[in-house]
Amino acid sequence: DSGVTQTPKHLITATGQRVTLRCSPRSGDLSVYWYQQSLDQGLQFLIQYYNGEERAKGNILERFSAQQFPDLHSELNLSSLELGDSALYFCASSVGAGWNNEQFFGPGTRLTVL
Amino acid sequence: QQQVKQSPQSLIVQKGGISIINCAYENTAFDYFPWYQQFPGKGPALLIAIRPDVSEKKEGRFTISFNKSAKQFSLHIMDSQPGDSATYFCAASTNQGGKLIFGQGTELSVKP
Repeated sequence: DSGVTQTPKHLITATGQRVTLRCSPRSGDLSVYWYQQSLDQGLQFLIQYYNGEERAKGNILERFSAQQFPDLHSELNLSSLELGDSALYFCASSVGAGWNNEQFFGPGTRLTVL
Repeated sequence: QQQVKQSPQSLIVQKGGISIINCAYENTAFDYFPWYQQFPGKGPALLIAIRPDVSEKKEGRFTISFNKSAKQFSLHIMDSQPGDSATYFCAASTNQGGKLIFGQGTELSVKP
């Protein structure tokens, strides 16, 4: 158990809908990362927050947004869902924001868009 | 230039054998190269990591070999065990932040 929690574990929804994925980082970690894992794209970095501020952005679609709250939990919002958004979404956390901080991954949220 | 290419896609090794997974990169700004292990239904977990100022790092049965001039690095698993059966990902990041660029993954199966 990495100490990172993600809810829900599974999510099934329809095209065009909006969903929110939630992540609680390990105690003491200030940085949160979101990754998308799919069969065709592999593990792709989406976005990083550090202590409430956006720190780095990857190939995150405009339909997706995220935020980190004062209690350091983070939410990833996915809207106007398409079939291709079906994937595993992982949250990771680390103490600091830099490259030399080990990232601890949560168990993931499996999103299925029908 | 942001890609990390990983091979093979899948690997079958007999128990006690050596598993070797290779990765190559183009971006010379990459400064940190971790390997992650992922079991089915779980998130990736850090296995071992290396920086380009060393050519090899060993932790137990796991060794990273790093060739800076060739822009390649590899994971060697000595005395492979059935419990090592998992998907392995190489990754890279620059020293500008924590964003990890992952390889496509290698599904390792160790046969008893």
